[in-house]
Amino acid sequence: EAGVTQFPSHSVIEKGQTVTLRCDPISGHDNLYWYRRVMGKEIKFLLHFVKESKQDESGMPNNRFLAERTGGTYSTLKVQPAELEDSGVYFCASSRQPWGANVLTFGAGSRLTVL
Amino acid sequence: DQQVKQNSPSLSVQEGRISILNCDYTNSMFDYFLWYKKYPAEGPTFLISISSIKDKNEDGRFTVFLNKSAKHLSLHIVPSQPGDSAVYFCAASPTGNQFYFGTGTSLTVIP
Repeated sequence: EAGVTQFPSHSVIEKGQTVTLRCDPISGHDNLYWYRRVMGKEIKFLLHFVKESKQDESGMPNNRFLAERTGGTYSTLKVQPAELEDSGVYFCASSRQPWGANVLTFGAGSRLTVL
Repeated sequence: DQQVKQNSPSLSVQEGRISILNCDYTNSMFDYFLWYKKYPAEGPTFLISISSIKDKNEDGRFTVFLNKSAKHLSLHIVPSQPGDSAVYFCAASPTGNQFYFGTGTSLTVIP
């Protein structure tokens, strides 16, 4: 079974530019999550998709962040315009069942550096 | 405000000895707890979990202890091996809700 795949692995952009991160979950996993880790801080929840629907987006920092999951397969997270404080590692995770006793399978992350 | 805290950013242990990683939480609604392990340039991987109905769960060299009254859990690794060197994240959740992660503890096992 292929794991959770994220692209790009590292992106360096200037403040004010746009970046789109992509996540391909494990096939058959209806639940997809985005997390972010700013250097040295905790891994923080951003949002949760069930298929193509946003189940919980309470962790999204502001309206510069837009997540989509068209067709309930892969997901994208767009940051527009990027700010310095957006730098960090963005993790995607997926699971067959939502939360609870089912553990999440994480991707390797997309490191975003905003200069 | 952080609901899951790992107050030790790093820990060094000799190979063969016990590693003890600690985690504290503030939300009394948390009833499911997990430990994840993360190697550089990889995503966190699930290690071990415990639900609030238990106070101990063991899986090979890894044991998680839960003290609900103190809102504290710990991960014991015995014996520690160099391959255990990684960042360990504690996570907690109220059942059916999102996981809250700590800041991680970087474990170095010295051969």
